Amino acid sequence: GQSLEQPSEVTAVEGAIVQINCTYQTSGFYGLSWYQQHDGGAPTFLSYNALDGLEETGRFSSFLSRSDSYGYLLLQELQMKDSASYFCAVRAPSSGYSTLTFGKGTMLLVSP
Amino acid sequence: SQTIHQWPATLVQPVGSPLSLECTVEGTSNPNLYWYRQAAGRGLQLLFYSVGIGQISSEVPQNLSASRPQDRQFILSSKKLLLSDSGFYLCAWGPAGGGEQFFGPGTRLTVL
Repeated sequence: GQSLEQPSEVTAVEGAIVQINCTYQTSGFYGLSWYQQHDGGAPTFLSYNALDGLEETGRFSSFLSRSDSYGYLLLQELQMKDSASYFCAVRAPSSGYSTLTFGKGTMLLVSP
Repeated sequence: SQTIHQWPATLVQPVGSPLSLECTVEGTSNPNLYWYRQAAGRGLQLLFYSVGIGQISSEVPQNLSASRPQDRQFILSSKKLLLSDSGFYLCAWGPAGGGEQFFGPGTRLTVL
């Protein structure tokens, strides 16, 4: 099976940089995804890392180290609208296909 | 562009009543389709996934079932709802072999 660990809550101020870590244990591994979910809404896809290294998309970056079973999401120039829950998810083999297993989420609170 | 629809947005049902939630995808062919459930303040639990018409894989044994009668239609059903079936039900689609999934707006189900 798969298990993921991420902090339950992170707080930061507008304009700051915040890093949300994710460690995982899996039987088989294809990649690590990140999703954002605002309160009451559906998750939205942010990034997917299949290879080691840093992927940058605007203010958001995601990093993966397969040897350490570790990844993080980096949010720069924080804005109030970034207050949301962030989920890491492992893509792993399942019955000949692949599925995502989600962590429990990290609630990010951005204050003025 | 691709669009995913779910209905209804909210639903209140008595214990023991049947359930049918529908999800349709537009703008893509032969997508992988997924049903997730999210309890309040929790992560996403994968319930079912489908890689093609009539092909359903169940991740969690329970009183729910899923069907895929058409390429872009995914239905979640129950014959008799339990209190524990309350939650936020999310349908998602994703390309085969990809780490990204795109979620519908969700159905918030309350079983009383």
